Amino acid sequence: QKEVEQNSGPLSVPEGAIASLNCTYSDRGSQSFFWYRQYSGKSPELIMSIYSNGDKEDGRFTAQLNKASQYVSLLIRDSQPSDSATYLCAVKDDGSYKLIFGSGTRLLVRP
Amino acid sequence: DTGVSQDPRHKITKRGQNVTFRCDPISEHNRLYWYRQTLGQGPEFLTYFQNEAQLEKSRLLSDRFSAERPKGSFSTLEIQRTEQGDSAMYLCASSLDHQPPYEQYFGPGTRLTVT
Repeated sequence: QKEVEQNSGPLSVPEGAIASLNCTYSDRGSQSFFWYRQYSGKSPELIMSIYSNGDKEDGRFTAQLNKASQYVSLLIRDSQPSDSATYLCAVKDDGSYKLIFGSGTRLLVRP
Repeated sequence: DTGVSQDPRHKITKRGQNVTFRCDPISEHNRLYWYRQTLGQGPEFLTYFQNEAQLEKSRLLSDRFSAERPKGSFSTLEIQRTEQGDSAMYLCASSLDHQPPYEQYFGPGTRLTVT
């Protein structure tokens, strides 16, 4: 059973701080990794994808991938109250195009 | 460029009734996916299409569920003889997959409540 693990949280950070969200995955053959943001009652919104080892930056977001450790993380700099949401880590299944999701980490940014 | 659209957004039905949902992907996206999400969980894969071909179905998908994408554009997901356990958010996503990372974009979802 291929799995994606996330801490359910909530992760509480003050406004302006860096929020660090982590994810581990079981399938060593996985190649593509994604972070989605989901507000309560809404659908997931893609915020970052990463394919190669290392860091990928997009505005206030940085995704980090370490395939040897089977670990993906998302850093949110200068966190804002509007960043408060559930963040879903997803991994593209090796040999398929389906995504395997973690259960999400709930982030609370305190004003 | 419009995003993925789904219809209806909400559906309340009685146990035993059939329901059908529609998904219109982002234009020119050749892959279309269906997921189901229950409270507190991440989306769970149901099935996907490449153009009109259904390439994979989850083992969790009972024979009460059927999906079609007849012309390689919109897709429908039908649930026959609904059960209370079918209550969930049904999400559709699409992707254009010429090269990695094969990003999937989700529609707003259809929330199904079976009473």
